[in-house]
Amino acid sequence: QVQLQESGPGLVEPSETLSLTCSVSGDSISSYYWSWIRRPPGRALEWIGFMYHNGPTNYNPSLKSRVTFSGDTSKNQLSLRLSSVIAADTAVYYCARARGSGSYFDYWGQGILVTVSS
Amino acid sequence: DIHMTQSPSTLSASVGDRVTITCRASQSISLWLAWYQQKPGRAPKLLIFDASTLESGVPSRFSGSGSGTEFTLTISSLQPDDFATYYCQHYKTFPCTFGQGTKLQIK
Repeated sequence: QVQLQESGPGLVEPSETLSLTCSVSGDSISSYYWSWIRRPPGRALEWIGFMYHNGPTNYNPSLKSRVTFSGDTSKNQLSLRLSSVIAADTAVYYCARARGSGSYFDYWGQGILVTVSS
Repeated sequence: DIHMTQSPSTLSASVGDRVTITCRASQSISLWLAWYQQKPGRAPKLLIFDASTLESGVPSRFSGSGSGTEFTLTISSLQPDDFATYYCQHYKTFPCTFGQGTKLQIK
């Protein structure tokens, strides 16, 4: 059974960097593609990007200049960094496993609410 | 970006009802569509991919159909566990995008 769990600060100040971790169990992050997805309050889910460990990444053009994905195989964790955050980055952030690059998502974490506010 | 529009936004129904949710794409996405179910505080759950393929373990009362720009998710006989929010997602091109969701509530 694949399980994903997001963690990180629930409050980030404007202009700072949002950093989240996704702990994966039941599968290796060296396999499959992995994604981060977010849902701002009252809005649709927004795909942030795909990553394949030590392989290509593909970011949403709307966020590409501010996003960095990484992975730590020793901890089996994924990481998201989003720089220069603004209030519009307030959202529930999810990590998810994809069946392939540019694909659908078969396992998701429960999500973590991150609020951007001073 | 391809825009996904779901209808209705909210749907009230009773246990045993047959319900249909529609998802429309702003341009053709062939069969590159998935459906998800989400309950409050829980992870989204994959129900259907490639427009009509049922994910393993998902009850057969769920079905998907459509191609091109119009798709439907049908629940043949609502069960108490089915009251949740449903989302569609295309994966035809980057970036993939999602519908805004349909909340299925008890009448």
